[in-house]
Amino acid sequence: GDSVTQMEGPVTLSEEAFLTINCTYTATGYPSLFWYVQYPGEGLQLLLKATKADDKGSNKGFEATYRKETTSFHLEKGSVQVSDSAVYFCGSTSGTYKYIFGTGTRLKVLA
Amino acid sequence: GAVVSQHPSRVICKSGTSVKIECRSLDFQATTMFWYRQFPKQSLMLMATSNEGSKATYEQGVEKDKFLINHASLTLSTLTVTSAHPEDSSFYICSALVSGGREKLLFGSGTQLSVL
Repeated sequence: GDSVTQMEGPVTLSEEAFLTINCTYTATGYPSLFWYVQYPGEGLQLLLKATKADDKGSNKGFEATYRKETTSFHLEKGSVQVSDSAVYFCGSTSGTYKYIFGTGTRLKVLA
Repeated sequence: GAVVSQHPSRVICKSGTSVKIECRSLDFQATTMFWYRQFPKQSLMLMATSNEGSKATYEQGVEKDKFLINHASLTLSTLTVTSAHPEDSSFYICSALVSGGREKLLFGSGTQLSVL
């Protein structure tokens, strides 16, 4: 069945460092791909999404490109801030709102 | 704006007791809600899909008699873990589908259940 695999955390970075969180997926069709973020004490919030191959989702300085050839959707940010500290979930859906998520990656950014 | 409110955020209970988790849609009506569970270091997994006024649809491997879902109104879905055991200790999170215009999913903040 469909699945999502993302790198285990925690990831600890200094402020202004470059961030990459890897995410790969398996799917029988052509899913939409998402990154959700969960700040402490809050619900998961949609960070960005891409609906087809080569699409790039971006928001708040974060980017991820839908790579069909490598079945990947890695999350990147050029310069992280302390306020980016959160748990990041990679996910996919084939249009039925049955979302498949990864394990989540905790990011901690130090001042 | 539209928000999903989930309570409690954390609960500790004794083995054999039942625990109810509430998921409310604020400022919108949710005909469809979803319940997820995450064990430590594992993926956030869909447990069931809840539709207002009808029986929930459970994913394979999820015991419907153990995890009772009630979606009796357009703003409230509840998950009751019956006769909880330590292996039910997990992070439970709900989400609701916001319809009309561009559909989207909103998530609650989750409930950490610890069964002693």
